[in-house]
Parts: sequence; C-alpha cells; structure tokens
Amino acid sequence: AQTVTQSQPEMSVQEAETVTLSCTYDTSESDYYLFWYKQPPSRQMILVIRQEAYKQQNATENRFSVNFQKAAKSFSLKISDSQLGDAAMYFCAYRSAPYSGAGSYQLTFGKGTKLSVIP
Amino acid sequence: EPEVTQTPSHQVTQMGQEVILRCVPISNHLYFYWYRQILGQKVEFLVSFYNNEISEKSEIFDDQFSVERPDGSNFTLKIRSTKLEDSAMYFCASSPDRANYGYTFGSGTRLTVV
Repeated sequence: AQTVTQSQPEMSVQEAETVTLSCTYDTSESDYYLFWYKQPPSRQMILVIRQEAYKQQNATENRFSVNFQKAAKSFSLKISDSQLGDAAMYFCAYRSAPYSGAGSYQLTFGKGTKLSVIP
Repeated sequence: EPEVTQTPSHQVTQMGQEVILRCVPISNHLYFYWYRQILGQKVEFLVSFYNNEISEKSEIFDDQFSVERPDGSNFTLKIRSTKLEDSAMYFCASSPDRANYGYTFGSGTRLTVV
C-alpha cells in the first residue's frame, strides 16, 4: 500500500515571501499521480496542483510550483509571493495511474501541513 | 464552474440513529466517491461508485455504510446506526472518468453524533 508523509505539521510565512511544503511518499508503482490540495477554514478541498509521474517537467500553476524528485519519492510545494488567502491546511495526495494494473484509484492523503501567513 | 453540492452542511444526530448524507455530483461525471476526515486527522477514502455499483471500498466502509444513486442525480451515503466515532467531515467527490486524474470535491457535511 502507498503511504504519504508530510513531516511539517505547521509552517508559517511572511506575506509576499516564499514557502516550501514537504511531502514524501512510498510506492512500488512506476506510474502515478501526485496532488496538492488546499483546505481553507471553510473545509472545502480545493485542488492546487497535480503532477503525473511520467512527466519530468515540474508542474506550475501561477504562484504554485512543485519540485518532483521521482527517485527520491519527494513532491514539495512552493508557494511564491504568499498571500493572506493562502493560509490553510495543505494536503499532499497520491493516486495510482489508470490502467497501471494496481486496481486502486483512491486518493491517499498525508496528514497535512497547516500554513499560516503573517501580514 | 460546475460544483459538487453536498447537503446538509452540518448534521447532528443521536447515537444509534440512521443518517443520510446527500451529494449532487457534476452532471457529466461518471465516478463518485465518499471520503471522510475526522477532526484533526487525515482525509480517508471510504468508497467509489461507478455504473450503479461499488467499484472499490476501504476497511472503514463496513456493513453500517451504504451508498446509492437513487435518481440519476443524487449520490447518497447512509450510515445505518451511527456511533460516536462516526463524527467527522464527509466529503463527496466526482470525476468524469477513471482516467481523469482530477477529482472535484464538495464542500463537505459535518456530522456530529451525540
């Protein structure tokens, strides 16, 4: 079974600064997807960014980018120019790729990192 | 932008009572999911549903739980006899197909069992 580990329960960042959230995972599969979800106080789960394991290029979405290190099984999220609205819980998640033969397409989540943004 | 809608946003129920949580997935989506999040803990998979049957379920999804798509638009999670430990946030999600790697989550139903 796959596991996802987020070793930073809490992080803080000054507004307009950059912060990096860490995530490592364990899998024996070669093809899979990785995600970062944001959960603000409203509790809704919002997809921030996703990465396909077969792609070497790191995904980027505006101020959000990832550093995907497949060999190290590491998937960190960088938030640039942090804004007050970025304050939330951030969850890293793993999913087997379709037709990988794993038979499981559920998302496996880490325990989350609570990000505070200091004005 | 299309949304997954969950009702109610908060439900309080007595231990031992049956509860039904409701979800309206995005209309052209075919795969539906329930996840739960006990306060302060990680989000956990419960069940996935496709073509009117369960395609996958976790160990948490025991005989007390059931899912149904009664009318082609709603997707429900029923807990037959609630326990205190069922208190959690329950999230519904949907995706257009199995190959799609992005789910859309609803805003959740907070279930409190007293």
